[in-house]
Amino acid sequence: NAGVTQTPKFRVLKTGQSMTLLCAQDMNHEYMYWYRQDPGMGLRLIHYSVGEGTTAKGEVPDGYNVSRLKKQNFLLGLESAAPSQTSVYFCASRPLKGGGNEQFFGPGTRLTVL
Amino acid sequence: DAKTTQPNSMESNEEEPVHLPCNHSTISGTDYIHWYRQLPSQGPEYVIHGLTSNVNNRMASLAIAEDRKSSTLILHRATLRDAAVYYCILGPGANSKLTFGKGITLSVRP
Repeated sequence: NAGVTQTPKFRVLKTGQSMTLLCAQDMNHEYMYWYRQDPGMGLRLIHYSVGEGTTAKGEVPDGYNVSRLKKQNFLLGLESAAPSQTSVYFCASRPLKGGGNEQFFGPGTRLTVL
Repeated sequence: DAKTTQPNSMESNEEEPVHLPCNHSTISGTDYIHWYRQLPSQGPEYVIHGLTSNVNNRMASLAIAEDRKSSTLILHRATLRDAAVYYCILGPGANSKLTFGKGITLSVRP
C-alpha cells in the first residue's frame, strides 16, 4: 500500500494564480482532511470530508475549496492564490471505525506564493 | 475544546529514556489522549493513545495520571531518529478532527 500520497511535492505560484493539490489514499478510508502548517506552528485544519461527496469547513477554510468526488481522492483548490497561503499542506485520512482515531498523513506539499 | 500544555522543548541523550510531559486539566471524560510526532520535513505520524490506563506499544509508553489531568509519553531508549516535534492531542473531536498545538521539540544528543 502506498498509504497517503500528495501531488505535487513543491509548487511556486504567483499571486492570483490558481492550482489544485491532490491527495490520494489507497486504504479505503472514509475520512479525509486537509491541514496547513506555517513555520513554527502546529497543523491547522482547512477542510475535511467524512465520505465521498461530502465536505465541511475546518478552522481556516477561507480562500480554499475542496472536492471529494471519489472516495480515494480529496482535492484542495486555491482559486486566487495569496502570499498568506504560503505554507506546507498536509493531507490525512482515517477509517470510519477502529484505529483509535489514528490519522494517516501524507508527506506534504510545500507551496510558495510570490 | 479541551487544550493541552506542553513545554516548548526538551533535550535528551541518545540511548537514555525520555519523559515528555503534557498537561490537560480540562480534559473531559470521553477525551482520549493522543500523541503524534513529526520528524523534520515529514508529515505527522501516530505514536500512541490512551483513555485511562497506561499503554505500551513498540514505539513508546503512555503514562496517564489517575485524575487524567496530565500524561507522559515515555521513549525508553532515545535514538537520533527520535528527534522530532511531539504533539499531545485530546479527542477525538467531532468527525474525528484533531487539534494540533505547537508541540514539544525533542532534541537528542549523540
